Amino acid sequence: DIVMTQSPSSLAVSAGETVTINCKSSQSLLYSGNQKNYLAWYQQKPGQSPKLLIYWASTRQSGVPDRFIGSGSGTDFTLTISSVQAEDLAIYYCQQYYDTPYTFGAGTKLELK
Amino acid sequence: QVTLKESGPGILQPSQTLSLTCTFSGFSLSTYGMGVGWIRQPSGKGLEWLANIWWDDDKYYNPSLKNRLTISKDTSNNQAFLKITNVDTADTATYYCARTHMGIPDDWGQGVMVTVSS
Repeated sequence: DIVMTQSPSSLAVSAGETVTINCKSSQSLLYSGNQKNYLAWYQQKPGQSPKLLIYWASTRQSGVPDRFIGSGSGTDFTLTISSVQAEDLAIYYCQQYYDTPYTFGAGTKLELK
Repeated sequence: QVTLKESGPGILQPSQTLSLTCTFSGFSLSTYGMGVGWIRQPSGKGLEWLANIWWDDDKYYNPSLKNRLTISKDTSNNQAFLKITNVDTADTATYYCARTHMGIPDDWGQGVMVTVSS
């Protein structure tokens, strides 16, 4: 199985700050046939289902604010949230869909300072 | 607009079979590249992908539960199903279904809580 390792596990921020969440996969998620990274990011607020933010490592899902930016390739990926707002407080998960079983990171909890 | 909604028994006893239904709208499971996946999340814990079924009836099961899982679909009625046999307390979780489009799980249901207890 591809292991997804997220860091940090939690992050305390003030509104307006920029935050970076890291995700590392145990093997490359870059498919040479199409040069795409099979990596997605989700946001899960309390009591809600996960919401897709980013796919193909850097493509923002429709309706997602442009302060959410995905980057990286191969085995190392980053989700950057610029100018964090109170509504962004949630748990963020990375997930690989390169190979079955699809696997998720353990999550990063974003909290207010 | 894509919507998915899970339904299930709520509570069941150890060794019973869990049957879950995902009723969806806004897409068709007969469309090329479409799929429905089942994912679960124990309270306060992370996400585990269980199974996926595709438009061509191809199926994937998580090897950690493979012998206990059966996924199926009813394309005419826009439903997908998951059965888990021989449940125990470790299967207590919220179960989600999600549309997978070209492999990407892009829309999720609200989830259904399932408790296994004697």
